[in-house]
Amino acid sequence: QVQLVQSGAEVKKPGASVKVSCEASGYTFINYYMHWVRQAPGQGPEWMGKINPSGGGTSYAQKFQDRVTMTRDTSTSIVYMELSSLRSEDTAVYYCAREVAGLFFDFWGQGTLVTVSS
Amino acid sequence: DIQMTQSPSSLSASVGDRVTITCRASQSISTYLNWYQQKSGKAPKLLIYAASSLQSGVPSRFSGSGSGTDFTLTISSLQPEDFATYYCQQSDSAPGTFGQGTQVEIK
Repeated sequence: QVQLVQSGAEVKKPGASVKVSCEASGYTFINYYMHWVRQAPGQGPEWMGKINPSGGGTSYAQKFQDRVTMTRDTSTSIVYMELSSLRSEDTAVYYCAREVAGLFFDFWGQGTLVTVSS
Repeated sequence: DIQMTQSPSSLSASVGDRVTITCRASQSISTYLNWYQQKSGKAPKLLIYAASSLQSGVPSRFSGSGSGTDFTLTISSLQPEDFATYYCQQSDSAPGTFGQGTQVEIK
């Protein structure tokens, strides 16, 4: 069965960076784009970007263009999302989500809470 | 970016009620519209894709309709497990924006 398992909660100080991982299993890793979506407390989901696990190509939302990096390790079927220069507004739950045919997200990770606080 | 506007932002309903949630896009998105259900502390769950296609395993009381800019999610007979927040999301063009959500509460 398809599973996306994310790394645990993080607490960071403003200005620091955070790297969240998402381990995929139950399907052929390189066949599906992976996206990152975040959700601030009480808010709707916000798309951050995507990575093609096959070639490593990425596309980021303009809002995060200069602060986010998405990478993958095909040997372990893990994708990573690193967000730098953290500020309090980055406090949110971060999800990875598998894309189907450019249309929708059929499986999601359990979410990783990132708290940015001095 | 395409803006997605849901209405209402919240509603109260009873078990057995028929519930309708609407989603409007700021420009035409054909049928590139998905619906997700989210329960507290959990990841969103896909219900409907391509405006009207039911995701595998989702009960048939959920249905979706619409095209262009106006879309509807209908729950034909609300069940206790359906109390949650519902989000629409467009997949016509990046970024795949979400609506602000509709919280369905128990009356």
